[in-house]
Amino acid sequence: RKEVEQDPGPFNVPEGATVAFNCTYSNSASQSFFWYRQDCRKEPKLLMSVYSSGNEDGRFTAQLNRASQYISLLIRDSKLSDSATYLCVVNRGNTGKLIFGQGTTLQVKP
Amino acid sequence: EPEVTQTPSHQVTQMGQEVILRCVPISNHLYFYWYRQILGQKVEFLVSFYNNEISEKSEIFDDQFSVERPDGSNFTLKIRSTKLEDSAMYFCASSTYGGGYQETQYFGPGTRLLVL
Repeated sequence: RKEVEQDPGPFNVPEGATVAFNCTYSNSASQSFFWYRQDCRKEPKLLMSVYSSGNEDGRFTAQLNRASQYISLLIRDSKLSDSATYLCVVNRGNTGKLIFGQGTTLQVKP
Repeated sequence: EPEVTQTPSHQVTQMGQEVILRCVPISNHLYFYWYRQILGQKVEFLVSFYNNEISEKSEIFDDQFSVERPDGSNFTLKIRSTKLEDSAMYFCASSTYGGGYQETQYFGPGTRLLVL
């Protein structure tokens, strides 16, 4: 079983749509959770950390369910510039090793 | 804003040759990492480095790979005898602490390595 699993998509949505991505992780010892964004052939960039209470940053909302080992990202009012691959990333703590999911590709169309 | 830099941006080499990929981490960071991403696949951890020692390495990081911090600013990844399957994008990253709660790692732009 993959340690971090995501639906690869692609998700094709019109501008202004709301889209949700899901991710599951297998290791219950995971302590830190993130969503990174990766544009084509570029480096991953931190989009937001994910906290147990859920957190929001503008149009982006992240949720964590530790009991279900499930992480989500909601994007409201999608923009063309949101087109990218969204990476679910976990860290077990006590080490810097980040474990990446395969990524979910989002294409926002005019 | 401080950033991680990497050189070269692209490297083409012949199978069996040695390559050295270079990184300059953010200046006040103490932990350094290498990741790789084979085309169309996920980003994979290779190695972490702290206080001039390897902290953790993956099973990918075999005897063909080595890392070094030759001076106060550079962090290098050496592949001794490249194989075709080493073709990938190699990302360097750095962070203030290693594995701190919700600690951010900052990634460099990557070196695209092609082994022929």
